[in-house]
Amino acid sequence: SQTIHQWPATLVQPVGSPLSLECTVEGTSNPNLYWYRQAAGRGLQLLFYSVGIGQISSEVPQNLSASRPQDRQFILSSKKLLLSDSGFYLCAWSGASRTGKYEQYFGPGTRLTVT
Amino acid sequence: GDSVTQMEGPVTLSEEAFLTINCTYTATGYPSLFWYVQYPGEGLQLLLKATKADDKGSNKGFEATYRKETTSFHLEKGSVQVSDSAVYFCALSDPMEYGNKLVFGAGTILRVKS
Repeated sequence: SQTIHQWPATLVQPVGSPLSLECTVEGTSNPNLYWYRQAAGRGLQLLFYSVGIGQISSEVPQNLSASRPQDRQFILSSKKLLLSDSGFYLCAWSGASRTGKYEQYFGPGTRLTVT
Repeated sequence: GDSVTQMEGPVTLSEEAFLTINCTYTATGYPSLFWYVQYPGEGLQLLLKATKADDKGSNKGFEATYRKETTSFHLEKGSVQVSDSAVYFCALSDPMEYGNKLVFGAGTILRVKS
């Protein structure tokens, strides 16, 4: 069966510090991968998605970036965190599809607090 | 663009009450529809899905029917439990959109009291 891991689970970082969040998927190959941010425990904002190694699509302009160095690894980064980057970050995967067909499966999330 | 609209919450019910959470959508194609549930401090879990008109998705006593004529996918459960307290998200995936992206509603908080 497939599983998705995220780490760290919680993170407290000062403003201006760098960020690296990691997501890995097991039990599948060539998945689509997604990063979301959730503020105030409610709405989800899609930040980045990837349909293959090295392919990253950005949904919103911001000081975050994403990379996919391996098939089942997705990394969210920032060079300098802002207070507004605080939130709950969720990684998700779906079956390989260029168009809308499959459901997405979510990881446990990372709670980021920027102080 | 595509969008999903959910009823405003929070919804507060007593145990064993009937639940309905309304969800309507707009999409250019024929989307797949989903309900996700999020328990406090956790990621989202897929609750049920429907991929074409008149399909009924069901899981754990919850069900929703894909109504193309009313562009709706309302979530129902006949008898809620305290353990159903969570945030519920309606979402769609549009086959015309590149990347298998999901469009989410704002979420509806459900609180069930014993």
